[in-house]
Amino acid sequence: EAGVTQSPTHLIKTRGQQATLRCSPISGHTSVYWYQQALGLGLQFLLWYDEGEERNRGNFPPRFSGRQFPNYSSELNVNALELEDSALYLCASSLWGVVSNQPQHFGDGTRLSIL
Amino acid sequence: LAKTTQPISMDSYEGQEVNITCSHNNIATNDYITWYQQFPSQGPRFIIQGYKTKVTNEVASLFIPADRKSSTLSLPRVSLSDTAVYYCLVEAGGGADGLTFGKGTHLIIQP
Repeated sequence: EAGVTQSPTHLIKTRGQQATLRCSPISGHTSVYWYQQALGLGLQFLLWYDEGEERNRGNFPPRFSGRQFPNYSSELNVNALELEDSALYLCASSLWGVVSNQPQHFGDGTRLSIL
Repeated sequence: LAKTTQPISMDSYEGQEVNITCSHNNIATNDYITWYQQFPSQGPRFIIQGYKTKVTNEVASLFIPADRKSSTLSLPRVSLSDTAVYYCLVEAGGGADGLTFGKGTHLIIQP
């Protein structure tokens, strides 16, 4: 079974640009979660999508947005990039739409570096 | 919101048993307790999950007391490759309130 895949592995941008990160969940998983992990810090919850709808978002500004496609893959967009957006962006998927006892399965992330 | 508290770091030696405790005083009835392991520049990996009492799999055990306000991850006979950050997550049924990872416990295993 293929795991969660994220692309690109690394992304270098400059301040003010826009970044698009992509995630393919495990086959059969309908929920996709996005996290930001700045260097040396824990995971900060960004967004949760299920069945194409945004179900919840963390405490991040509106320039962080995304969507989930009919095939359950997802895209995270970050507009007007700032230096502090440099981080590892992790995507996870789970089997059910409701977060209950289904653990999340993570990809290995996209390292976004802002110059 | 079920908030978790873990030690920031722990040290142990190869072959020892390691126990990492997580406090979650306001855990809700629907919440499960899940532990993840993360190596540098990788995504977290699921280790074990439980609701109450004891759960054991091929890599770890999870002990949860009757009041469920804490849980203990037990790693038997650790090796150098167990050096990683371990996160305790209380997953809230029905919503994303529980999707808050703390800073985790950095476990360092020495020879």
